[in-house]
Amino acid sequence: GENVEQHPSTLSVQEGDSAVIKCTYSDSASNYFPWYKQELGKRPQLIIDIRSNVGEKKDQRIAVTLNKTAKHFSLHITETQPEDSAVYFCAATRSFGTDSWGKFQFGAGTQVVVTP
Amino acid sequence: GAVVSQHPSWVICKSGTSVKIECRSLDFQATTMFWYRQFPKQSLMLMATSNEGSKATYEQGVEKDKFLINHASLTLSTLTVTSAHPEDSSFYICSAKRTEAFFGQGTRLTVV
Repeated sequence: GENVEQHPSTLSVQEGDSAVIKCTYSDSASNYFPWYKQELGKRPQLIIDIRSNVGEKKDQRIAVTLNKTAKHFSLHITETQPEDSAVYFCAATRSFGTDSWGKFQFGAGTQVVVTP
Repeated sequence: GAVVSQHPSWVICKSGTSVKIECRSLDFQATTMFWYRQFPKQSLMLMATSNEGSKATYEQGVEKDKFLINHASLTLSTLTVTSAHPEDSSFYICSAKRTEAFFGQGTRLTVV
């Protein structure tokens, strides 16, 4: 089955700096990679995702890059703000239309703390 | 976006009793839903896949007789924790899928 590893487990950054979180996956059939932000006691919220036919995707201050050959993908947050403080999870799953679609293997999570 | 609602949001029960958690897709039909468990400061771990009209598929290490899943309609899946023990205390989250996965708000279960 799929195994997703995520690093670092904690990340402290000064407001305005960039944050980078990295994940690797094991299942070469995985081709959908979402990133979720979870605040304490709340549900995970999708912040960005990428499919394997794309190498990079950007949405304002958030970007995700994917290296399918190396089986790793990264989340980049630029100009961090205190409200970016949360736990971030990467995940991997097989594509829409397969039985495995939506069945996520999550990374262990990264606690991001943005200090003013 | 689509809405997935979970009920209750939190529940406290006595050891040995059973607790039912509901997961509803409010504005779309979901033939498949997923149940996850999240212990404090840990990741979401997939417990089982809930299939409408058929038996759930459980992940390795998850006791199917302890965590009963019923998916009787296209908008409702239920997870029943039977004979709950303190070690079952956790955050349980369901998800339903369309072109993306939508998560319920989670249920905080505390067994005392």
